Formats: sequence, structure tokens, C-alpha cells
Amino acid sequence: GAVVSQHPSRVICKSGTSVKIECRSLDFQATTMFWYRQFPKQSLMLMATSNEGSKATYEQGVEKDKFLINHASLTLSTLTVTSAHPEDSSFYICSASSPLAGGPGNEQFFGPGTRLTVL
Amino acid sequence: AQKITQTQPGMFVQEKEAVTLDCTYDTSDQSYGLFWYKQPSSGEMIFLIYQGSYDEQNATEGRYSLNFQKARKSANLVISASQLGDSAMYFCAMREVSGSARQLTFGSGTQLTVLP
Repeated sequence: GAVVSQHPSRVICKSGTSVKIECRSLDFQATTMFWYRQFPKQSLMLMATSNEGSKATYEQGVEKDKFLINHASLTLSTLTVTSAHPEDSSFYICSASSPLAGGPGNEQFFGPGTRLTVL
Repeated sequence: AQKITQTQPGMFVQEKEAVTLDCTYDTSDQSYGLFWYKQPSSGEMIFLIYQGSYDEQNATEGRYSLNFQKARKSANLVISASQLGDSAMYFCAMREVSGSARQLTFGSGTQLTVLP
């Protein structure tokens, strides 16, 4: 099956610093990548949708200048949390999608997630 | 109104028994897809099963089956012969044609605990 990796899996940073999270599709070209945020015991909340080579589409309430998303190639998207604060601590999950990968319904492949802790 | 509703925050089942996790949805689209994912404590999202709105047969994948009742807008997940490894968070999700391509909306999840 299609594989998506995320790096790092875990990061701890000081308040005010920026953190970059990478999402890679390893064996297919992802036309679309999604970024989700998940607080403990809660559901996945979509933050933004990015298509290769174009600007990301952010969900309502998500600060574009706070969460910078770059989708420079068909296999890589990055999420940068700028000037991170403790309230940004969360589990961030990416997923990648392609019409050529997966079977019916299995079209969005998830990365293993990144746990961000801001001190 | 919520698009995906999971009314069971937590469920317990005895090992080897069957369990049903509830999911109702709300959409005005005629064409849509319904998904179930499993999320163990490690955090990874594992795709379990998919049901298309036009599929006449209920989807099945091994021990997983989806009880699709279109008129009631419900898509319950049935896990047969529960195993200890089934203990995890389970999310129901929907993809609407009118939304962004392949964008999923998730329910609040059900924490399933399988008891030995």
C-alpha cells in the first residue's frame, strides 16, 4: 500500500521558536496533501489542504501566518509552526492523496503523526 | 449541525464477542463516501473499511463490516470476534462530492476497549 512518512515523530521546543514538520509520500506522487491537528481524546480537525505548486487552502479559524504550509513537490509537504506557544502543543497528522494510488475509498493515506510539545 | 455523529464516547466488549460502533451522518449530496478508521495509542490512522453511497451491498473487510442504512443515514461499524488488539479509538468519516477533492470530515470518535 501507499506509504506516507512524517518527520520528526516527536519534537519539544521552547516558546517562540519555529518548528518544521515534513510529510512525504514515499512510493506515489501525491497531488493533494492534508494537514490535521488532534488534541488528546479528540477528533482530527482539518487545518489546510494543499495542492502541489499552489497555495494551501486553510480552514476557517486557522491562522495562515502561524501555520505555514508549503507543497513544493508531488512527494513533499511541510508545515511550519511559527513562533510556537504552549497552546500549539498537539498531535499533527498529514495525509496524502492521489487518484492513482489506492483502491475504492482508500484514497487518503495518513502519516504516523508528529507530537509537538511547546514549553 | 454536525456532519458526522458518533454518540458513544466509550465502549467495552468482551474478547471474542461482536461489537457495533454507531455513526450517523448528515449530507445533502447524493454521492458520498463513508469511512472507518482505527487509531491505536501510537496515533497512526489505519483505514478499515469504505462504503460508497451508491453501493447496494454492505461493505465487508475480514472481521469488519459496515451496516449501511441509507434512509436512516447511518453507517455503523460491526467488529466480529473482538481481539485485544482491537482496543483503540475508532473514527467514522465522510467525503462529500461537493466538498474539496477527497476532503474527509471526521466524527468525534469512539474509544473501544476489549476486555480479556
